[in-house]
Amino acid sequence: EADIYQTPRYLVIGTGKKITLECSQTMGHDKMYWYQQDPGMELHLIHYSYGVNSTEKGDLSSESTVSRIRTEHFPLTLESARPSHTSQYLCASRLGGGETQYFGPGTRLLVL
Amino acid sequence: AQTVTQSQPEMSVQEAETVTLSCTYDTSESDYYLFWYKQPPSRQMILVIRQEAYKQQNATENRFSVNFQKAAKSFSLKISDSQLGDAAMYFCAYRSRGSQGNLIFGKGTKLSVKP
Repeated sequence: EADIYQTPRYLVIGTGKKITLECSQTMGHDKMYWYQQDPGMELHLIHYSYGVNSTEKGDLSSESTVSRIRTEHFPLTLESARPSHTSQYLCASRLGGGETQYFGPGTRLLVL
Repeated sequence: AQTVTQSQPEMSVQEAETVTLSCTYDTSESDYYLFWYKQPPSRQMILVIRQEAYKQQNATENRFSVNFQKAAKSFSLKISDSQLGDAAMYFCAYRSRGSQGNLIFGKGTKLSVKP
């Protein structure tokens, strides 16, 4: 099993609240990713990072922001949550040049 | 740009039978990786099998095998002796071989296994 962790696993929050979804990995992977996925649907890449102090937006426009201050940590922040942000958020990581991308267990977010 | 297409939104198989999930992709590159990922209901996405494009031999992992047809740009997954635990969403994915490059996913196939 891959050593990639996400907290919280489930979050119910009111509109307008600021939230941070945590993702950490202990494998020393330089590349990390955030995906948004509605249940049973396709994955959409929203952010990625190729290393410390490097972040890029993905294919799907998102109001969230990310930071990469440490190799092992890649948090995602929503400054003001809205019901349209309700979804599952998956974090993933990969070693540069490595073949396999590993996924975290996901955070299910419900914004009321 | 590369694309990945899974033309079967849903599939069903009887327990102990064999099922094949289809995946096609479009690329102008000659060297790349292909993957099948499994996402059980409310559980973590895990890698099922991977194939390197420069290898002609089809990858196999226990009951899972692929039929990789490079010229046809086809990468199907065969699950033999299906088990109830195989029920999941299956995603086909493509990635360029270079160290950069992100995974490109298909839309997924939902597999149901009937007892």
